[in-house]
Amino acid sequence: KAGVTQTPRYLIKTRGQQVTLSCSPISGHRSVSWYQQTPGQGLQFLFEYFSETQRNKGNFPGRFSGRQFSNSRSEMNVSTLELGDSALYLCASSFTGGPVLDTQYFGPGTRLTVL
Amino acid sequence: AQTVTQSQPEMSVQEAETVTLSCTYDTSESDYYLFWYKQPPSRQMILVIRQEAYKQQNATENRFSVNFQKAAKSFSLKISDSQLGDAAMYFCAYRSARSGGSNYKLTFGKGTLLTVNP
Repeated sequence: KAGVTQTPRYLIKTRGQQVTLSCSPISGHRSVSWYQQTPGQGLQFLFEYFSETQRNKGNFPGRFSGRQFSNSRSEMNVSTLELGDSALYLCASSFTGGPVLDTQYFGPGTRLTVL
Repeated sequence: AQTVTQSQPEMSVQEAETVTLSCTYDTSESDYYLFWYKQPPSRQMILVIRQEAYKQQNATENRFSVNFQKAAKSFSLKISDSQLGDAAMYFCAYRSARSGGSNYKLTFGKGTLLTVNP
């Protein structure tokens, strides 16, 4: 079974631009979560989607948004990029993300650099 | 809000030796899950081991085992017979077992960088 895939793997943008990152979960997984990883802040939760609905959102500004499609694939968008948005963005999928023990499996990440 | 603390930013171990990585967490919940993830230089986050808080028995996966002390809110990872391939950043993570979408997220510690010396 194929793992979580993320595209693109690397991205360079300039301040003020916007960017869209894509995540394809493991087949059968319906929950997709996004995390931002930076040297200073570590791993921080962005948001989680299940069946095309955002169930949970972390403490990030409204410039960060996401969506999930009917096939469970997910995209996240960052508008008006700032230098501080440079980070590794990780996507993780699980069956339900619900209260039962449900392991999140991570993709390889997208490295975003904002110049 | 839950917090996870990894007090050792870096650790080193000799190949074939044993090393223990520390993790403490703070929560008011009684039911939750704990995880150790490994992130090698490739940056792919890989699950090492997981523990359900309601289980008293410590989880074990081959050379990896945990010491789960619920009362002390401690969850350490022991790596036996360390191998060069174990070199990575190790993250401890917490997840609530409560129902409700706001609980379905992982809270990570800052990580411990493990170096394995030949």
